Amino acid sequence: DAGITQSPRHKVTETGTPVTLRCHQTENHRYMYWYRQDPGHGLRLIHYSYGVKDTDKGEVSDGYSVSRSKTEDFLLTLESATSSQTSVYFCAIQGEFYGYTFGSGTRLTVV
Amino acid sequence: QKEVEQDPGPLSVPEGAIVSLNCTYSNSAFQYFMWYRQYSRKGPELLMYTYSSGNKEDGRFTAQVDKSSKYISLFIRDSQPSDSATYLCAMSITGTASKLTFGTGTRLQVTL
Repeated sequence: DAGITQSPRHKVTETGTPVTLRCHQTENHRYMYWYRQDPGHGLRLIHYSYGVKDTDKGEVSDGYSVSRSKTEDFLLTLESATSSQTSVYFCAIQGEFYGYTFGSGTRLTVV
Repeated sequence: QKEVEQDPGPLSVPEGAIVSLNCTYSNSAFQYFMWYRQYSRKGPELLMYTYSSGNKEDGRFTAQVDKSSKYISLFIRDSQPSDSATYLCAMSITGTASKLTFGTGTRLQVTL
């Protein structure tokens, strides 16, 4: 995916542990988003950012926090992972054109 | 009720068929409409983008928006096995700095 990478690609973690997912872009885009994708629910917005240190909550933000200290990095933290947070997480960036460019996703399993 | 409804399929068609994918929505404030294609274990990629009502054509793909009916469609002509993927509709109120609301996706299988 041009200009956007997510890490790790896969992760298995235990219930109650903190987890941080990273999204890195090389496009210098201002807008960045974190979504989760689950069967039957599609893509749902967790948090988003309109610039450095400028973040806000989406529709499913409970149990998640984000940080953006640099334009290129947007971190998603699960403060205390639960099984309901087992999902595929996608980061997206948006430039002046209206559509999103998505990363390849992080497949997270909480056991 | 979800803001955006999309039949999950799966939809199976023979190669060369015309495919029609649809979404309905309830929020009349939506102005920007998109279709994304997602291959298995990949991120969604933007396929088509339309502002307000009307049609837009790009090669074998045509996107239609009917705001009066709150209904959007994606047509794929001369479908190919490489079109087999999940198709997600998405929409937003604003253009840039927009939070997208997605449908759940329709899985399409094009068979030889």
